[in-house]
Amino acid sequence: AQSVTQLDSHVSVSEGTPVLLRCNYSSSYSPSLFWYVQHPNKGLQLLLKYTSAATLVKGINGFEAEFKKSETSFHLTKPSAHMSDAAEYFCVFPHGSSNTGKLIFGQGTTLQVKP
Amino acid sequence: GAVVSQHPSRVICKSGTSVKIECRSLDFQATTMFWYRQFPKKSLMLMATSNEGSKATYEQGVEKDKFLINHASLTLSTLTVTSAHPEDSSFYICSGLVTGTRIQYFGAGTRLSVL
Repeated sequence: AQSVTQLDSHVSVSEGTPVLLRCNYSSSYSPSLFWYVQHPNKGLQLLLKYTSAATLVKGINGFEAEFKKSETSFHLTKPSAHMSDAAEYFCVFPHGSSNTGKLIFGQGTTLQVKP
Repeated sequence: GAVVSQHPSRVICKSGTSVKIECRSLDFQATTMFWYRQFPKKSLMLMATSNEGSKATYEQGVEKDKFLINHASLTLSTLTVTSAHPEDSSFYICSGLVTGTRIQYFGAGTRLSVL
């Protein structure tokens, strides 16, 4: 069965310090993987995507993620947190090997950034 | 990235009335759109898949007569919550699937409050 697990429901960092949001996946095939961000009362914005090209993916707002097949992980990182990064982050991957378009969402990680 | 416009952003209605939410893809054609519901502090729950020109496919447990979906054009899908009740109060989010990819672009969401 396919699944995606975000290991932390809540992460708190100080402004200017690194951010690490962890995501592990389970899949019988090599998946595409995405990270989305949701600010309060807003829709989801695509941060970055992995689609079997380079394993280190750079996204918007200074975020990046590395696809590690051996660890079945796709952790999201940023060298220096900004107050505006405070939001909910979802690790997501497409459901099934066929192109149904459905997505499997992680449970979400709330990122808190302290001044 | 592609833009999806969702309207209204917030609606308050009386119990027993119907509410229509619109989802438009502004700069791409979305043959497939999705409707989600999000409870507080929770991930997104897929309600239905909306395909242009055909009936929507509803997820298990979602009442199709309660949540009417129409996808009459390649850029517009609507969700009508019929005979709304307070338990229908929630945050509803739509997304459009970019044809040929597995990437969904999301609307900003609609906060429905049923009194």
